Amino acid sequence: DAGVIQSPRHEVTEMGQEVTLRCKPISGHNSLFWYRQTMMRGLELLIYFNNNVPIDDSGMPEDRFSAKMPNASFSTLKIQPSEPRDSAVYFCASIKGVLGYGYTFGSGTRLTVV
Amino acid sequence: DQQVKQNSPSLSVQEGRISILNCDYTNSMFDYFLWYKKYPAEGPTFLISISSIKDKNEDGRFTVFLNKSAKHLSLHIVPSQPGDSAVYFCAATTQGGSEKLVFGKGTKLTVNP
Repeated sequence: DAGVIQSPRHEVTEMGQEVTLRCKPISGHNSLFWYRQTMMRGLELLIYFNNNVPIDDSGMPEDRFSAKMPNASFSTLKIQPSEPRDSAVYFCASIKGVLGYGYTFGSGTRLTVV
Repeated sequence: DQQVKQNSPSLSVQEGRISILNCDYTNSMFDYFLWYKKYPAEGPTFLISISSIKDKNEDGRFTVFLNKSAKHLSLHIVPSQPGDSAVYFCAATTQGGSEKLVFGKGTKLTVNP
């Protein structure tokens, strides 16, 4: 079991550029979550999918953010255009529906927008 | 408005002593609570959980206590070890609802040798 795989680990981009973060959940997990971690707000949920369908995107900050899950093994979080305030660590997590053992998180993508 | 609050950003304890990390919540619908541990440059990892039908859950050196009337939970680590130094996040959810977790901002624990 390779765990939840996120790429890239680090991303530095200029303001106004498009950024795409990628996530491969654990095989067999049917729910996927995108979280953002900042000092000010801690870990906040951006969006989550169940069986590849977006269920709750109320945490997506604004229209510049979009997320897709075209199949059970892949999801993307896109920011277009990026802004310096988007700088944060973005985590992807997956579960197999029962919360007993909680989410399995990826190692995160540290995004810096300059 | 933070529904899950960890009011201590940091905590420092001596090796071998008890570490107590606290968490408060405001949403009375929450009925399942989890603690996660996070090392630098890694994602959070699940540590221990408790359902609202219990007031205590124990796993080795880690014990979580839940006081529903006070909407308060705490994580006790006994004895504390230097390897426990990490950021600890409290999280809450509603079973039977969506699977989404609401996290606190975290408490950075430092265990000094």
